[in-house]
Amino acid sequence: NAGVTQTPKFRVLKTGQSMTLLCAQDMNHEYMYWYRQDPGMGLRLIHYSVGEGTTAKGEVPDGYNVSRLKKQNFLLGLESAAPSQTSVYFCASSSRLAGVPLQYFGPGTRLTVT
Amino acid sequence: AQRVTQPEKLLSVFKGAPVELKCNYSYSGSPELFWYVQYSRQRLQLLLRHISRESIKGFTADLNKGETSFHLKKPFAQEEDSAMYYCALSNAGGTSYGKLTFGQGTILTVHP
Repeated sequence: NAGVTQTPKFRVLKTGQSMTLLCAQDMNHEYMYWYRQDPGMGLRLIHYSVGEGTTAKGEVPDGYNVSRLKKQNFLLGLESAAPSQTSVYFCASSSRLAGVPLQYFGPGTRLTVT
Repeated sequence: AQRVTQPEKLLSVFKGAPVELKCNYSYSGSPELFWYVQYSRQRLQLLLRHISRESIKGFTADLNKGETSFHLKKPFAQEEDSAMYYCALSNAGGTSYGKLTFGQGTILTVHP
């Protein structure tokens, strides 16, 4: 089992460019999440999904869009990147069947917007 | 609204010394509390959760509902404990979908 994987690991964008981050999990988890990690801010939830075809906003959704066309994949899109979106992005997944859903994290994507 | 506060951004101790990472929370319902650890440039890993009342890598944490705290403790710190530690809270209710609210994180450095 690979667990949770993220593509790419690193990316540098110019302001206004777009990109998509891919998260994949092979644990058959229903729930998936995108967080951003910033110094002094901890991890903040951007968007999440409770199942295929369903997404919802988290704490800091502005400037991001997501899609969950397949159960195992959760995509995070930046339509017009801004320097404020420079961050490390983590994807996570958890199982609906667990009494207390435990989140399993991917290795992160380090994004720099210049 | 739920909130998790880790008052120390940085914490330094010497090897063999006791260490305590503080975590306070505010939540009106019945929370589930977790500690996650992130070693240098690695993914977050679950360290422990309050419902299991277990000790992982010598760390323990007790939920104090009266003080709304979930401090992480270890009696004798080791150099390999140097990492970023996050306290996190989840609503135990069915509509939470496992979402976590994280504290700001504490960077622990254990000196030789």
